[in-house]
Amino acid sequence: DTEVTQTPKHLVMGMTNKKSLKCEQHMGHRAMYWYKQKAKKPPELMFVYSYEKLSINESVPSRFSPECPNSSLLNLHLHALQPEDSALYLCASSQVTGYNQPQHFGDGTRLSIL
Amino acid sequence: DAKTTQPPSMDCAEGRAANLPCNHSTISGNEYVYWYRQIHSQGPQYIIHGLKNNETNEMASLIITEDRKSSTLILPHATLRDTAVYYCSRGGKFQFGAGTQVVVTP
Repeated sequence: DTEVTQTPKHLVMGMTNKKSLKCEQHMGHRAMYWYKQKAKKPPELMFVYSYEKLSINESVPSRFSPECPNSSLLNLHLHALQPEDSALYLCASSQVTGYNQPQHFGDGTRLSIL
Repeated sequence: DAKTTQPPSMDCAEGRAANLPCNHSTISGNEYVYWYRQIHSQGPQYIIHGLKNNETNEMASLIITEDRKSSTLILPHATLRDTAVYYCSRGGKFQFGAGTQVVVTP
């Protein structure tokens, strides 16, 4: 059982829709991450939050908008996505950011853009 | 280059040890080496990490060379449930290598 919960597990949306992905952890971790993973590729970092503040944005297009409303929750708001944005979106958390901090991953949201 | 290099695939017989290599020749002195695995349709699972010394836990052992330019993950007695993609990464960079697809066969 994963300690990082992501909802929904699957999402199909049109290019004009607005939707949100949700991630929740109750381990008291203060660092949370969004990754994007295409088929047969490793996860690629999108965003890092540290103590509810955005600390890293890996030049992600503005159609992806992250939000960290509290220390347990991380959202990814989606708007006007493109077909190439279809992928598995993974959330992860760690106690804090830093070199000696293993990450705990959720099982992801599989997103399909029509 | 901040990435790591791994062989794309590896087969292993059930019950035998699986030794997975990773090259991280440009790793800096304070970066840890991490190993994760991803079973199909699941998120990556943390396995083990280390800085300089060899490490062992209930899942695996990690051997890091003295110059820290490479490491080996050892699964001591592979089972069918160990079939997965294994990723080596450098702590702090949030970058995964391309991964090694390990298939454990009966």
